[in-house]
Amino acid sequence: AQKVTQAQTEISVVEKEDVTLDCVYETRDTTYYLFWYKQPPSGELVFLIRRNSFDEQNEISGRYSWNFQKSTSSFNFTITASQVVDSAVYFCALGPQGSGNTGKLIFGQGTTLQVKP
Amino acid sequence: DGGITQSPKYLFRKEGQNVTLSCEQNLNHDAMYWYRQDPGQGLRLIYYSQIVNDFQKGDIAEGYSVSREKKESFPLTVTSAQKNPTAFYLCASSIGRQGGYSGANVLTFGAGSRLTVL
Repeated sequence: AQKVTQAQTEISVVEKEDVTLDCVYETRDTTYYLFWYKQPPSGELVFLIRRNSFDEQNEISGRYSWNFQKSTSSFNFTITASQVVDSAVYFCALGPQGSGNTGKLIFGQGTTLQVKP
Repeated sequence: DGGITQSPKYLFRKEGQNVTLSCEQNLNHDAMYWYRQDPGQGLRLIYYSQIVNDFQKGDIAEGYSVSREKKESFPLTVTSAQKNPTAFYLCASSIGRQGGYSGANVLTFGAGSRLTVL
């Protein structure tokens, strides 16, 4: 069975603090994709990153960075110097590889991040 | 600007009534999806369609129906058979098969429709 677990339900930090959102996944597939999406209060999910299971290099995009460790089946997301605008629900998701079911994602439960001024 | 439009944003339904949620996209995407979001449960797939006139059940299709008569449109009907319909419904699309063998597609989401059963 495929599963994504985001153990942190809610996190509250003060602006400028660094924060890491954890994501652990389970799959028997040898190849797969991992995603992070952000859901601001408006409700619309916004794509942040897609990572192929073959690529274990960490990635940095501005204040955002992602740490993919296949050995521990984790794909953690860190926000450096958090800002109030980062307040949102963040979802980690697992997706199959291949041209078949390419949009059927398995989502985690989500982590609500509150950044206080 | 290209995107996905969902309507209505808020909908109230009496028990026993069917309701239809609209989803329209102008991204020229082949594939479209309906997800349901409940507090603390993440998103769960209801139905998806990879091409016009074809669709498949997702993980929680019971009590729902869809149609895909046009590439741009993928309406979802919540029937009276759905026992717990109060939820936030999200429509999404992806490039689909036209993207080639590129693995799991990036989803573009609409702003959602919140359905409340009275």
